Amino acid sequence: EAQVTQNPRYLITVTGKKLTVTCSQNMNHEYMSWYRQDPGLGLRQIYYSMNVEVTDKGDVPEGYKVSRKEKRNFPLILESPSPNQTSLYFCASSSSGTTTSEQFFGPGTRLTVL
Amino acid sequence: AQSVAQPEDQVNVAEGNPLTVKCTYSVSGNPYLFWYVQYPNRGLQFLLKYITGDNLVKGSYGFEAEFNKSQTSFHLKKPSALVSDSALYFCAVRDTGGTYKYIFGTGTRLKVLA
Repeated sequence: EAQVTQNPRYLITVTGKKLTVTCSQNMNHEYMSWYRQDPGLGLRQIYYSMNVEVTDKGDVPEGYKVSRKEKRNFPLILESPSPNQTSLYFCASSSSGTTTSEQFFGPGTRLTVL
Repeated sequence: AQSVAQPEDQVNVAEGNPLTVKCTYSVSGNPYLFWYVQYPNRGLQFLLKYITGDNLVKGSYGFEAEFNKSQTSFHLKKPSALVSDSALYFCAVRDTGGTYKYIFGTGTRLKVLA
């Protein structure tokens, strides 16, 4: 089944404790992206990647890191989480094959930073 | 800078009535426009997109959207609403300058009343 998977789905952590949220897709997509969803703010793009070893900032990259060492994986790293990073996070991927392909989203990771 | 506005936080409509969820955008150049839907506790799902061509775009689940360049709008419509259409709807625009940057609206909650 074609899908984007994220782990963990739920995470409660404390300020300053480094964490990684994994994202993996099995559709051989070139493009991947991370978003955060907050009430009243919609989705905001954190980082995106257009291919292996090619990443760039979205609208809200501060406090986050990403890497794209393999095509299928795009982990999101919070080196020193703070309470304002409490949010619902989504990973998404899409093909570069057509002019603009739609994104496939993962199920989300709900992060709480105490 | 690109932007997307969804002026209504919530839209209520009776089952069987037509529905409209509004979206306006601001981009330089030709826009790539998308609608996504989010059901409770789920990731986002693609509904439809406008890249070029006919101004009326048909998508999944009987939804359609009308691209209006002069009004810079891309409203989502459905002729007859179902209770199961109740969800959170997001309009999005993708950068046309060769990046993978996306801007999402703040979302509109659609409630279809039986």
